[in-house]
Amino acid sequence: AQSVTQPDIHITVSEGASLELRCNYSYGATPYLFWYVQSPGQGLQLLLKYFSGDTLVQGIKGFEAEFKRSQSSFNLRKPSVHWSDAAEYFCAVVRAANGGGKLIFGQGTELSVKP
Amino acid sequence: EAQVTQNPRYLITVTGKKLTVTCSQNMNHEYMSWYRQDPGLGLRQIYYSMNVEVTDKGDVPEGYKVSRKEKRNFPLILESPSPNQTSLYFCASSSKGTSRLNFGPGTRLTVT
Repeated sequence: AQSVTQPDIHITVSEGASLELRCNYSYGATPYLFWYVQSPGQGLQLLLKYFSGDTLVQGIKGFEAEFKRSQSSFNLRKPSVHWSDAAEYFCAVVRAANGGGKLIFGQGTELSVKP
Repeated sequence: EAQVTQNPRYLITVTGKKLTVTCSQNMNHEYMSWYRQDPGLGLRQIYYSMNVEVTDKGDVPEGYKVSRKEKRNFPLILESPSPNQTSLYFCASSSKGTSRLNFGPGTRLTVT
């Protein structure tokens, strides 16, 4: 069965430090992968997605993610974290090849940013 | 403005009292879905719809019903709510083939 695992429930980084949020997936076919961010009291916003091609994808707000098929990973990175990045981050994989609403989400990683 | 709207945003109800959470999108999207978000569990899909009159169960459909009579609306119905349905609910939509979900603002439901 398809699944997504985010091993870190909560991460704290200092403002200006680099960030890496981990995501591992289990999926038999070519995965379509996503990272979403949820600010406190808000809905989810798409940060970036990977469908095919270049394994390093750029997203909004200075985020990037790298797809590594050999490690079944799609880790999210940012070189320098800002206080406004404090939020919860969700990795997701789409189940159906034709897309649509059948996304499977990881458990989420809550990011805190120290001044 | 392109958006997904949900109503109500907050709801406190009692066990067994039927309720409906509405979801509407103005982007002419084919796909719509409902998720619930619980601490430590992330988002889990309840139901999804590929188009009008086409719905299917997600991962946690028990205790919920949906309907898709119009393309823009996808209400979530709890016929007999129970306390374990206390959660934060999100509606989402996407156009066919993109997989990019547009989320509503969420509905926080408390069942006592």
